[in-house]
Amino acid sequence: NAGVTQTPKFRVLKTGQSMTLLCAQDMNHEYMYWYRQDPGMGLRLIHYSVGEGTTAKGEVPDGYNVSRLKKQNFLLGLESAAPSQTSVYFCASRRQGDTGELFFGEGSRLTVL
Amino acid sequence: AQKITQTQPGMFVQEKEAVTLDCTYDTSDPSYGLFWYKQPSSGEMIFLIYQGSYDQQNATEGRYSLNFQKARKSANLVISASQLGDSAMYFCAMREWSDKLIFGTGTRLQVFP
Repeated sequence: NAGVTQTPKFRVLKTGQSMTLLCAQDMNHEYMYWYRQDPGMGLRLIHYSVGEGTTAKGEVPDGYNVSRLKKQNFLLGLESAAPSQTSVYFCASRRQGDTGELFFGEGSRLTVL
Repeated sequence: AQKITQTQPGMFVQEKEAVTLDCTYDTSDPSYGLFWYKQPSSGEMIFLIYQGSYDQQNATEGRYSLNFQKARKSANLVISASQLGDSAMYFCAMREWSDKLIFGTGTRLQVFP
């Protein structure tokens, strides 16, 4: 029972470098989300997807891009990393329906120097 | 725009006592869902309880109950008979029709013997 898996778990980048975070879920969930967590800020929604091939902006989408080419995968990309993007990133998924709670990955800690 | 407010950055409670964690929300959507999550120091996000906007009764899950006051737009979490293992960050979250799921900034609960 893998649930929601995020890779990588840790990454250090230099300013201006690019990278992609991969989120994979094996629960056949329709909805997937990317959040960032910073001290005192809670979890802030970056982008989300309501189905394969669809994406939508969340609260803090600038500097990030996403893709949902396959239902089970949701990719978060940083084209040109900035120190302000140093954070812990969480991916989550949920099934359709009003009571569908989010299932979270373990988080990915990203440091941009 | 939807908004979640948790006004208590930190709370203390003695073991075996009850504690209430506050959450207010702002939405013009008649259909929405409210969630509470727990994040222990290990970092994972744990789903606790859900309340739908049309639910007539307050949600309960074991020692957790949600005090839902729709007119006041509040969804407070009540933890009865606190245990040392309840020490964690607690996040309130709301989902609107758009399927965005937005979190508050969290409350750190510390349970002491």
